[in-house]
Amino acid sequence: QKEVEQNSGPLSVPEGAIASLNCTYSDRVSQSFFWYRQYSGKSPELIMSIYSNGDKEDGRFTAQLNKASQYVSLLIRDSQPSDSATYLCAVAKTSYDKVIFGPGTSLSVIP
Amino acid sequence: DARVTQTPRHKVTEMGQEVTMRCQPILGHNTVFWYRQTMMQGLELLAYFRNRAPLDDSGMPKDRFSAEMPDATLATLKIQPSEPRDSAVYFCASGLLLLGVPGANVLTFGAGSRLTVL
Repeated sequence: QKEVEQNSGPLSVPEGAIASLNCTYSDRVSQSFFWYRQYSGKSPELIMSIYSNGDKEDGRFTAQLNKASQYVSLLIRDSQPSDSATYLCAVAKTSYDKVIFGPGTSLSVIP
Repeated sequence: DARVTQTPRHKVTEMGQEVTMRCQPILGHNTVFWYRQTMMQGLELLAYFRNRAPLDDSGMPKDRFSAEMPDATLATLKIQPSEPRDSAVYFCASGLLLLGVPGANVLTFGAGSRLTVL
């Protein structure tokens, strides 16, 4: 079992719709969770981080964490073509530990 | 904006040659990571350093890969001899990771070094 898994994609949504990206992790003691966005040919960049159970909102993005289910998700509301990218879920045991990335989910927002 | 600088951006070499990739982390960051990205495997952690000391290189093929941090401004990843299966994008990332500080382990990535081994 891989440490971090994501829905395989690619995911296609129409412009203006909600895109839902999911991630599960295997190490129950993990405490830090991240979503990075990677445009084609570019490097990953941080979108959001979350550390406590529940929801965290930042503009059109909402991260959700459920530690009991070992599940993290990212919702993108009012999806725009500029959101088309690969979204990488990342997990670390603590704020001091190595960061492990999932395989990524490719999102395409259709105008 | 502070940035992580990687060189070279692109490298084409022949099988058996030595390849060295370099990374200048952000000044003040205490942790440096090397990742490799391929379509098949995604973003794999190869090695990482804290305050220049190697902490984990279990993701690296030991027989041909080596990673060092000779000083706080330079991290290197060396492949000798290189093989076609090493073709990938190699990313360096740095961060100021602090124990007990949620949110400390946010990483800034360099632009990557795209390696092609023929």
